[in-house]
Amino acid sequence: NAGVTQTPKFQVLKTGQSMTLQCAQDMNHNSMYWYRQDPGMGLRLIYYSASEGTTDKGEVPNGYNVSRLNKREFSLRLESAAPSQTSVYFCASSDPGNPPSPQHFGDGTRLSIL
Amino acid sequence: GEDVEQSLFLSVREGDSSVINCTYTDSSSTYLYWYKQEPGAGLQLLTYIFSNMDMKQDQRLTVLLNKKDKHLSLRIADTQTGDSAIYFCAERPILTGGGNKLTFGTGTQLKVEL
Repeated sequence: NAGVTQTPKFQVLKTGQSMTLQCAQDMNHNSMYWYRQDPGMGLRLIYYSASEGTTDKGEVPNGYNVSRLNKREFSLRLESAAPSQTSVYFCASSDPGNPPSPQHFGDGTRLSIL
Repeated sequence: GEDVEQSLFLSVREGDSSVINCTYTDSSSTYLYWYKQEPGAGLQLLTYIFSNMDMKQDQRLTVLLNKKDKHLSLRIADTQTGDSAIYFCAERPILTGGGNKLTFGTGTQLKVEL
């Protein structure tokens, strides 16, 4: 029972390089999320997808793009990486029913931008 | 907008009880969650409570909610070294406008000493 799977687990990039972080969930959840975690700042929402075919900005979307490829997969792209994007990135999924299911998280991608 | 606050650090002795506190500012109807993050891992859901409840108990965990003061606490009885982790409080307003978005606190680092 994999839950939410993120790849890669670690990545080092040079400033200006691009990359895509992958996320897949096997719980048939409608909603998916991308967060970044920085020391002393908790988790901040970058983008989310309430349902397949929709994406919306969160609290800190600048410098990122997302694609909801299908119900299972939600990717996060950095077009031109900057040192300020050094962080741990988490993907999560949930079902916004009544009651809503809690968000389930992947193990994270640790990204360093040099 | 929503705001969730937590103290950054808590240190307890093994066998004692730990109490982690959280305050939130949003609407009176909400779900509130506690997540645990161990080093190098993602967030693991511990428990959650709806705002029409005052208390929820699950084995060693007790959640108390003071709706008037918008104060949430997590009590861990008989704290063990394996409880050392970061604990996040998160809030979900009942009317989230789609997507089941959460607002996270900064996290409380719990250190359990022998």
